[in-house]
Amino acid sequence: GNSVTQMEGPVTLSEEAFLTINCTYTATGYPSLFWYVQYPGEGLQLLLKATKADDKGSNKGFEATYRKETTSFHLEKGSVQVSDSAVYFCALSFPTSGTYKYIFGTGTRLKVLA
Amino acid sequence: EPEVTQTPSHQVTQMGQEVILRCVPISNHLYFYWYRQILGQKVEFLVSFYNNEISEKSEIFDDQFSVERPDGSNFTLKIRSTKLEDSAMYFCASRQGTSGYNEQFFGPGTRLTVL
Repeated sequence: GNSVTQMEGPVTLSEEAFLTINCTYTATGYPSLFWYVQYPGEGLQLLLKATKADDKGSNKGFEATYRKETTSFHLEKGSVQVSDSAVYFCALSFPTSGTYKYIFGTGTRLKVLA
Repeated sequence: EPEVTQTPSHQVTQMGQEVILRCVPISNHLYFYWYRQILGQKVEFLVSFYNNEISEKSEIFDDQFSVERPDGSNFTLKIRSTKLEDSAMYFCASRQGTSGYNEQFFGPGTRLTVL
């Protein structure tokens, strides 16, 4: 079946450090891939997305490339800020029963220290 | 920018009581979803709804759960007899559906606490 595997957290970094959060997926067909961010006490916000192989999603300095050959969608940022502290969820979307369903990873908590 | 809204932001109830969680999806969206997130765990799909009927539901969505679109704007999730394990954050989402793209837009969530 379809699934998403995310690296375990928490991840603690100093400000301006490089960030990688690994995400791999298992899916039949060609899912769309997403990263969502959840700030403390808030809901899920779309961070970036990619709909087909080799697409690169980017937003707010974050990037992720849809790699079909390695079934991965790793999130990266060159220089993190304290304000990036949040939980990050990798998700895939696939068609089912006439609609699209999301499957989320377990989430990775990021803490950035000043 | 249009957004999905949810009320209440926090609901506290006694075990066995009925609760109704409310959502107002984005106005031109056609597909609606409920997800839940037990504290510290992953976000789990509950149900999808289109054209006034359920299109898919997960094994979590048992007979205690129901969804309804009572008018042109609201989308509700009802839990008939709450259990302690229903305590979670419940997210509503909507999707436009008329384009080829399948992004879902999420509301801020309702935190349900069952005592």
